[in-house]
Amino acid sequence: SQKIEQNSEALNIQEGKTATLTCNYTNYSPAYLQWYRQDPGRGPVFLLLIRENEKEKRKERLKVTFDTTLKQSLFHITASQPADSATYLCALTPSYGSSNTGKLIFGQGTTLQVKP
Amino acid sequence: ETGVTQTPRHLVMGMTNKKSLKCEQHLGHNAMYWYKQSAKKPLELMFVYSLEERVENNSVPSRFSPECPNSSHLFLHLHTLQPEDSALYLCASSLENGGAEFFGPGTRLTVL
Repeated sequence: SQKIEQNSEALNIQEGKTATLTCNYTNYSPAYLQWYRQDPGRGPVFLLLIRENEKEKRKERLKVTFDTTLKQSLFHITASQPADSATYLCALTPSYGSSNTGKLIFGQGTTLQVKP
Repeated sequence: ETGVTQTPRHLVMGMTNKKSLKCEQHLGHNAMYWYKQSAKKPLELMFVYSLEERVENNSVPSRFSPECPNSSHLFLHLHTLQPEDSALYLCASSLENGGAEFFGPGTRLTVL
């Protein structure tokens, strides 16, 4: 079966450290993979998109890697701050030719807590 | 603000009521989406409209009826809902189907 898995346990880290969140998928061939941030009671906010032919993407303190062999994406926040505390969602878009073409398929999200 | 607005933000309705959720985007996007988010579950795609035509209906019960009168507006008409339909309903839009999506703040729906 097709699955996107994110660590359901909350990640607690100290301010200033690097947070690393994992997204694993099975039985998908993503055209691209996206990361979103969601605060309680609010809609997700788009952060980064990485394409299947890209290994790494950066934006300010954020870095995303994409390994299509391992079927995994890692999301890093460097010099983390308490304001980074939120739930982070991974989502992928299957490649053209799939029955899921054009759909964004979300993982269940990982909650990050950055302690001062 | 993401440029996607939703009204109302909160809605409480009985099982026999009829109500509508509204979504509006001012981003010039061509695709719009309805999602359902329940506690402890991933976002569930309900409907996709691309260039105002419905291209996806993920086996959603007929008590949910979408309408897309133009590329900027999207409605979700609700009729005879069940308590298990209580959830956060999110609207999103994107420039192209499958690209980065911009979400509205959601409507928190409670069905009594």
